[in-house]
Amino acid sequence: GAGVSQSPSNKVTEKGKDVELRCDPISGHTALYWYRQSLGQGLEFLIYFQGNSAPDKSGLPSDRFSAERTGGSVSTLTIQRTQQEDSAVYLCASSLYALEVGAEAFFGQGTRLTVV
Amino acid sequence: AQSVTQLGSHVSVSEGALVLLRCNYSSSVPPYLFWYVQYPNQGLQLLLKYTSAATLVKGINGFEAEFKKSETSFHLTKPSAHMSDAAEYFCAVSERGGATNKLIFGTGTLLAVQP
Repeated sequence: GAGVSQSPSNKVTEKGKDVELRCDPISGHTALYWYRQSLGQGLEFLIYFQGNSAPDKSGLPSDRFSAERTGGSVSTLTIQRTQQEDSAVYLCASSLYALEVGAEAFFGQGTRLTVV
Repeated sequence: AQSVTQLGSHVSVSEGALVLLRCNYSSSVPPYLFWYVQYPNQGLQLLLKYTSAATLVKGINGFEAEFKKSETSFHLTKPSAHMSDAAEYFCAVSERGGATNKLIFGTGTLLAVQP
């Protein structure tokens, strides 16, 4: 597609359930990022994938959060045993190459997660 | 560690007035700098970026920003505000040649444009 695509756009789940959020990056982009946007916390980095390298998971807030990127393309962010504090907008972004050489990141529309 | 400070969480201007959104960074080496805009219920859209060329960067929708190393600033401006400019604006940095490939965002500035 022309841009970064995220699904679902909205997700309401019960506390304690697992959720999966999907991200389709721009075709050919080697880098993929997940961010979380919540009131009072701003935009928080979660995880970064670059090609076949080991992902940078330094931003994941707890071991309930995990992510994978299959075939260097689609990525799934999984949150296990959701808590109300997980409610936020989860944004995915991709870039043609690494940010360290000045690439720009393109963001998807986000998935709004509400835990009730 | 890198950080970004956006002064003013809310800025209100009249239509046709100058827009000035402030961004200061903290980094030992001048980083790459970006301004993103977010409209309600949408993702982030890149307005402009500074890599290493001209210090005055022109972006979309009539916005521009000037990199000032001496002031560690990258303020966003637009000569004449339009109602459609009402949105939240984020300044972000990424480390030049660094090991951490991530964007560090400021806390955002919500711009209101009054008729």
